[in-house]
Amino acid sequence: DTEVTQTPKHLVMGMTNKKSLKCEQHMGHRAMYWYKQKAKKPPELMFVYSYEKLSINESVPSRFSPECPNSSLLNLHLHALQPEDSALYLCASARQGQETQYFGPGTRLLVL
Amino acid sequence: DQQVKQNSPSLSVQEGRISILNCDYTNSMFDYFLWYKKYPAEGPTFLISISSIKDKNEDGRFTVFLNKSAKHLSLHIVPSQPGDSAVYFCAASQGPAAYSGAGSYQLTFGKGTKLSVIP
Repeated sequence: DTEVTQTPKHLVMGMTNKKSLKCEQHMGHRAMYWYKQKAKKPPELMFVYSYEKLSINESVPSRFSPECPNSSLLNLHLHALQPEDSALYLCASARQGQETQYFGPGTRLLVL
Repeated sequence: DQQVKQNSPSLSVQEGRISILNCDYTNSMFDYFLWYKKYPAEGPTFLISISSIKDKNEDGRFTVFLNKSAKHLSLHIVPSQPGDSAVYFCAASQGPAAYSGAGSYQLTFGKGTKLSVIP
């Protein structure tokens, strides 16, 4: 089983809204990742969590706030986003000590 | 500076023929390479990987070749099927050099090649 689930599948929000993206995996992976992907571009790393602790923040603006409440869940809290933040947001997980990351289906975000 | 390059943005192949997707890298510290396949509006799906201690890895119709001296890898799909039509991303990891703590690695992705398999 290599399933990573993400909800919601689609999200439309205004620039003053607060929303959250959710990611879940039950593979026992202790490394979890958030990526942002724009059309015709590769995935761009945002955050890395290892054992529920934030280990990498790739200079992401504070309007994106990650949270890892337990080993299966990863959230991305969104507040005061800009239209240029519209993108596909991907979650991935990996077994500790292994390079292969397994991606979820993504959340397609549109900021109006 | 792009460390992983996929110089062909697109490739068209007839069904049943071989598809060859290429990837070049510049960082000699990369020691693990992966290929992902992506359909529109979906997440990337892991296909196959190769460690730098090998020069070939096979999984069914998919074979990845690694030429370390040329810093080049390729993905061969034989025979190609219409369902293989997707964007293929090459990714690389520096292994322990990029160990970001407690078991997580960073992947560097290429820009992708869109494969179209024509029936």
